[in-house]
Amino acid sequence: AQKITQTQPGMFVQEKEAVTLDCTYDTSDPSYGLFWYKQPSSGEMIFLIYQGSYDQQNATEGRYSLNFQKARKSANLVISASQLGDSAMYFCAMRDGTGTASKLTFGTGTRLQVTL
Amino acid sequence: KAGVTQTPRYLIKTRGQQVTLSCSPISGHRSVSWYQQTPGQGLQFLFEYFSETQRNKGNFPGRFSGRQFSNSRSEMNVSTLELGDSALYLCASSSGTGWSGELFFGEGSRLTVL
Repeated sequence: AQKITQTQPGMFVQEKEAVTLDCTYDTSDPSYGLFWYKQPSSGEMIFLIYQGSYDQQNATEGRYSLNFQKARKSANLVISASQLGDSAMYFCAMRDGTGTASKLTFGTGTRLQVTL
Repeated sequence: KAGVTQTPRYLIKTRGQQVTLSCSPISGHRSVSWYQQTPGQGLQFLFEYFSETQRNKGNFPGRFSGRQFSNSRSEMNVSTLELGDSALYLCASSSGTGWSGELFFGEGSRLTVL
């Protein structure tokens, strides 16, 4: 069964600094996708970035980049130049070939607090 | 382009009652999936509907059911509510035809069972 592990329940970062949120995963399927979502207090899950298991390069989306280390089964999210509005819960999720297109397995999340 | 719309946003029910939640996906999306989020269990997959058919189901009791209409709008129903059903219920839509794309989530329906 697929599994996502986020070992950091909470993180603090100063405004304008970079921060890395950890995510490790486990799956026996060679074909899978990894996602990061942001969940502010409003509850909505906001898509940030996607990495496919066969993608050769690390995914980047603006200030977000995914540090994908396939052999170590890790998919860490890097947020550069943190902003106060980045304060939220962050979830790592995986979709693999054993499920249908829309079934994601989520980690427990990391609460990020950006300080002045 | 309108996002995923969930109604109602908040509701309070008592044990034993039943509840119906609604989700309107992004226009053109044919797949709607539902997730339950609780502090104890985190985010868990409930089920997915694609073109009015249930395509996958998570490990939830039969009290949890859903359906999808021809316009892709979806409803989920929980019967005989229990205290543990208190949660944020999130709906997500996608094109459903290729799984490299992201899911777009709504703001959720927050259910409180008293």
